[in-house]
Amino acid sequence: SQQGEEDPQALSIQEGENATMNCSYKTSINNLQWYRQNSGRGLVHLILIRSNEREKHSGRLRVTLDTSKKSSSLLITASRAADTASYFCATGYNTDKLIFGTGTRLQVFP
Amino acid sequence: DSGVTQTPKHLITATGQRVTLRCSPRSGDLSVYWYQQSLDQGLQFLIQYYNGEERAKGNILERFSAQQFPDLHSELNLSSLELGDSALYFCASRDPRVAGELFFGEGSRLTVL
Repeated sequence: SQQGEEDPQALSIQEGENATMNCSYKTSINNLQWYRQNSGRGLVHLILIRSNEREKHSGRLRVTLDTSKKSSSLLITASRAADTASYFCATGYNTDKLIFGTGTRLQVFP
Repeated sequence: DSGVTQTPKHLITATGQRVTLRCSPRSGDLSVYWYQQSLDQGLQFLIQYYNGEERAKGNILERFSAQQFPDLHSELNLSSLELGDSALYFCASRDPRVAGELFFGEGSRLTVL
């Protein structure tokens, strides 16, 4: 069964707007990661947040983690058409058996 | 380019057949992971190898098997193929000295007719 579930399943926005995706998971984790997948391509790692961290930034990405609620969010600010992709959260303890969520499909219109 | 190489990129075969998917991890990465991505199932973890040994097992069918060789490349064998096995199969590798990040290949797209 999936460890993480993203919400929403699909999101459409205009360029320049912010995109927020949420991830919920079920069991205790050591870290949570976000990946991006362009259509039919391999996944690319975006950011990792450890269980003792609450927020992390990388460029236009901001990730939060709330271990009490077993949830995380990914914010992409000032989105661009090139951000169009599927975004997945992944959880694991020591990353063995890293489990991916169902993904959010983001469409950014120029 | 992630440094992880998967072959073949595309494969079309018939039900009941057997195929082998190959993965070469990034230079120096000891861990290899296999994932299956189909439209209705998302990304499913199949199996992980570390330096030739099976480390973790996920939702891998008995018809599927994998191994990691001494040169660290890995093969995923799929037998008695069914229509439902049509999917993208991804290999990923990881440097055990760096927490977390997986590097994915571009996948092998299997179509079973």
